Amino acid sequence: AQRVTQPEKLLSVFKGAPVELKCNYSYSGSPELFWYVQYSRQRLQLLLRHISRESIKGFTADLNKGETSVHLKKPFAQEEDSAMYYCALRGAGGYQKVTFGIGTKLQVIP
Amino acid sequence: GAVVSQHPSWVICKSGTSVKIECRSLDFQATTMFWYRQFPKQSLMLMATSNEGSKATYEQGVEKDKFLINHASLTLSTLTVTSAHPEDSSFYICSASEGLDNEQFFGPGTRLTVL
Repeated sequence: AQRVTQPEKLLSVFKGAPVELKCNYSYSGSPELFWYVQYSRQRLQLLLRHISRESIKGFTADLNKGETSVHLKKPFAQEEDSAMYYCALRGAGGYQKVTFGIGTKLQVIP
Repeated sequence: GAVVSQHPSWVICKSGTSVKIECRSLDFQATTMFWYRQFPKQSLMLMATSNEGSKATYEQGVEKDKFLINHASLTLSTLTVTSAHPEDSSFYICSASEGLDNEQFFGPGTRLTVL
């Protein structure tokens, strides 16, 4: 069974401070991992895929296979980063459903 | 990015009635659409996956006779909650993609309240 755990429901940081949104997953194999973001009163949207190894809006996904984690990091938080962040997993091989974590609300304090 | 709309954005109905929610892809052909349900302070839970022209595939524990899904065209899928009860009150979200493994684009969601 695949499972995604986001241990923090709320993370508050000051503007300019580093951000680390934690995500641990459970999957027997090499899944595809995603981070989605939902800004206030907007729909859920894809932020980034770990496999792309790219930085989107200053965020990067730090995959640690040994710890089965894919934490979302940004060196300097900005007020506009305040949003709900969902970690998600899709299994490998053919069609696999996407499983979402419960989400972490990031609050950037000015 | 691609746009997915949902209608209505919120609906209140009496217990025992049926409610239909529409999901439309506005600027792309959605061969696959997904329906999720999200209870307060919980994660999105996949209910079913539908491919255009085929029967939907339901997740374990989701009653297909209660949650009727139709995906008759490449731009429209509907979810009908039949004989709704208060426990069906939830936030229903659809997403659409151009293929099973392609990026999913999410609709804004529909808040269903059953009295």
